[in-house]
Amino acid sequence: GENVEQHPSTLSVQEGDSAVIKCTYSDSASNYFPWYKQELGKGPQLIIDIRSNVGEKKDQRIAVTLNKTAKHFSLHITETQPEDSAVYFCAASDPNTGNQFYFGTGTSLTVIP
Amino acid sequence: EPEVTQTPSHQVTQMGQEVILRCVPISNHLYFYWYRQILGQKVEFLVSFYNNEISEKSEIFDDQFSVERPDGSNFTLKIRSTKLEDSAMYFCASSVWDPGTEAFFGQGTRLTVV
Repeated sequence: GENVEQHPSTLSVQEGDSAVIKCTYSDSASNYFPWYKQELGKGPQLIIDIRSNVGEKKDQRIAVTLNKTAKHFSLHITETQPEDSAVYFCAASDPNTGNQFYFGTGTSLTVIP
Repeated sequence: EPEVTQTPSHQVTQMGQEVILRCVPISNHLYFYWYRQILGQKVEFLVSFYNNEISEKSEIFDDQFSVERPDGSNFTLKIRSTKLEDSAMYFCASSVWDPGTEAFFGQGTRLTVV
């Protein structure tokens, strides 16, 4: 089945700097890649997603890039703010194995004011 | 903004007891899911549900588990004869369409089996 790896597990950045979180996946048939943000005591919140027919997607300070050949995708957060501090999860979905998401292990991002 | 709601937020149960975790998906969504996250591990898929039946389930979802949509709004996960290793955060999610579409998660139920 699909295996999603996520790095780094923890990341600290100064407020205003950029943060990059990387994920790799193993199943070339996966075609949908969401990113979730989880704040303490809350459930995962979808922040951005990308499909395999697109190489990059941007939404204000958040962007995701996808390299299908290398089977990796990345989350980029620019001009980080303290409220960006949370755990971020990447996931992959392969329609051939149903509708389940395969999640990465999560990255704990801390933005230092 | 519509959201998925789960109750209770924390459930403590004795080993061997049955628990029911409840979820109210977003009202116009058609697909419902349960995931779990054991402390320090990945979020893992348990089961998906569509049109009043299970559409996919993982190896984790054995006979100990069952799901039900008892009415038009609730979606439940029942765990029979709980084990210590069932202790985890359980997340309900829902989506309009499937597969590979936006799924919205609830805040989770922390299950502690003692």
